[in-house]
Amino acid sequence: QKEVEQNSGPLSVPEGAIASLNCTYSDRGSQSFFWYRQYSGKSPELIMFIYSNGDKEDGRFTAQLNKASQYVSLLIRDSQPSDSATYLCALRDSGNTPLVFGKGTRLSVIA
Amino acid sequence: NAGVTQTPKFQVLKTGQSMTLQCAQDMNHNSMYWYRQDPGMGLRLIYYSASEGTTDKGEVPNGYNVSRLNKREFSLRLESAAPSQTSVYFCASRVGVNTEAFFGQGTRLTVV
Repeated sequence: QKEVEQNSGPLSVPEGAIASLNCTYSDRGSQSFFWYRQYSGKSPELIMFIYSNGDKEDGRFTAQLNKASQYVSLLIRDSQPSDSATYLCALRDSGNTPLVFGKGTRLSVIA
Repeated sequence: NAGVTQTPKFQVLKTGQSMTLQCAQDMNHNSMYWYRQDPGMGLRLIYYSASEGTTDKGEVPNGYNVSRLNKREFSLRLESAAPSQTSVYFCASRVGVNTEAFFGQGTRLTVV
């Protein structure tokens, strides 16, 4: 059983700070990694995906992947109250297999 | 483009009743999925269909059946609902191997 581990939080950061969300995984064969944001009562929506080791930036968001250490992280710069949500880490191993999700980290950005 | 559409949005069932959750996508995606989400448990895969004509069990299939009716539609059936099946159910789809999944708006099911 593939495992995706996330700290459930809540992670509280002040407005304007950098929020750092982390995810570790057990399957070394994992190929693709995804970060979803889920507001309370809503469905998950994709923020970013990353396939290769290193950093990938998109606006205020940066995903970081380290396959050797089996972790993937999401940095949110200049955090806003509207970023308050649960962030889900997901991964896919080889082939056309379903995404496996972590339990999510709840982020609270304090104004 | 509606994306992934689930019906109904809310449902209350009595223990032992049956029902079918409907899911349809208009993005010509090959793969479709049913997840359930419970507090503190994240998203758990119930069943999936990698392509039209195929279905496979996920992590928590007991008590459920699925039908991939055609490329667009993937339904989830509860034959005899139990209180343990109280949850939020999400349908998702994706076009191929290395792509993200798109989610429907969810069905909030309560079994009393």
